[in-house]
Amino acid sequence: DAKTTQPTSMDCAEGRAANLPCNHSTISGNEYVYWYRQIHSQGPQYIIHGLKNNETNEMASLIITEDRKSSTLILPHATLRDTAVYYCIVRPYTGTASKLTFGTGTRLQVTL
Amino acid sequence: KAGVTQTPRYLIKTRGQQVTLSCSPISGHRSVSWYQQTPGQGLQFLFEYFSETQRNKGNFPGRFSGRQFSNSRSEMNVSTLELGDSALYLCASSLRARRGPYEQYFGPGTRLTVT
Repeated sequence: DAKTTQPTSMDCAEGRAANLPCNHSTISGNEYVYWYRQIHSQGPQYIIHGLKNNETNEMASLIITEDRKSSTLILPHATLRDTAVYYCIVRPYTGTASKLTFGTGTRLQVTL
Repeated sequence: KAGVTQTPRYLIKTRGQQVTLSCSPISGHRSVSWYQQTPGQGLQFLFEYFSETQRNKGNFPGRFSGRQFSNSRSEMNVSTLELGDSALYLCASSLRARRGPYEQYFGPGTRLTVT
């Protein structure tokens, strides 16, 4: 699976948009970008995924650059409950796609 | 729809013992994957079961094993426990359709402490 690079930590004020970047410069054509988050001592929570088009759901938006070498997860109005470690993962469309390879992620701290 | 459930939530064992952890996937999900999470190594993939067969395996010793039942429920077993096996063990279920992509949904985990 392609390797990802994320900042170690970020801060965001409550109510503001949180923009979490991810670099995946070695991504291949059949790999999707997935985002998960993990609130302390809980299981990871699926957020969103995408291939090359921007995606939006009730939790977040995913912006993928045209060359697919980087992406940004956007939480439009961050709340204290969004404080968590956010993981960006790239994995194949099929095959051994069951295996999620987690990096160290970005620790997002949302503050008042 | 109920989420992934794992039992027990907390467990304390001593070195040399063995332990069995249980996972019930989301209804309709046929794939169950197991992960180990430790502060030093992060989240690491153990194995995946689909249709009662192990489909993928991570880089863990043979002391770690698992199985899946016909109702898709899964168990993992760790024999001859070592102090380093203390971790949060997470189970994730997914549809694992022939054509992806598909997302995995995680349970709350079982916190295992080996003393």
